[in-house]
Amino acid sequence: AQSVAQPEDQVNVAEGNPLTVKCTYSVSGNPYLFWYVQYPNRGLQFLLKYITGDNLVKGSYGFEAEFNKSQTSFHLKKPSALVSDSALYFCAVRDMGNFNKFYFGSGTKLNVKP
Amino acid sequence: GAVVSQHPSRVICKSGTSVKIECRSLDFQATTMFWYRQFPKQSLMLMATSNEGSKATYEQGVEKDKFLINHASLTLSTLTVTSAHPEDSSFYICSALLGQDVTNEKLFFGSGTQLSVL
Repeated sequence: AQSVAQPEDQVNVAEGNPLTVKCTYSVSGNPYLFWYVQYPNRGLQFLLKYITGDNLVKGSYGFEAEFNKSQTSFHLKKPSALVSDSALYFCAVRDMGNFNKFYFGSGTKLNVKP
Repeated sequence: GAVVSQHPSRVICKSGTSVKIECRSLDFQATTMFWYRQFPKQSLMLMATSNEGSKATYEQGVEKDKFLINHASLTLSTLTVTSAHPEDSSFYICSALLGQDVTNEKLFFGSGTQLSVL
């Protein structure tokens, strides 16, 4: 079965510093990986995805993610964090061999302090 | 971007009653919708896949007779929690798939429903 793991429940970073939110995956076949963000009282929003091609994927709000096949990781990054980036971040994998379902990680709460 | 409307946002009910949650894709047609349950520790658990015009596909461990899913049209899927009990209290989230193929498909989410069973 396909799955993703987010090892950190919470990440704290100062505004202006680079941030990384970690995600590792376990898939059979080609991985289809995603990052979503959940702001308080709002639905999850798509940030970026990796299907194929360049290992560095750029997404919304200045976020990017690096696909690393050898380490089976898909970490989310941003060069300079903003207080408004504080939210809940979910990594997800799509199981193309199982009705195209999306499976999500446990989520990481990002706290950006001024 | 595409909009998914989920209603109600919050519901409180008595134990033993049934609750219906609606999920609508407002500006697109969705043949596939997913229902998730979000636990207090943040994890998002896939409950079932809802396909328009056919039976839903439930994940292992999810009771299909308790969590009834109906996807009668291309813009509406409903989740009915039957004979609700306090342990069913949770945050339920729906999502709809938009796109033509794997390269451009995206999931759009409703804002969730907080169910509290007394």
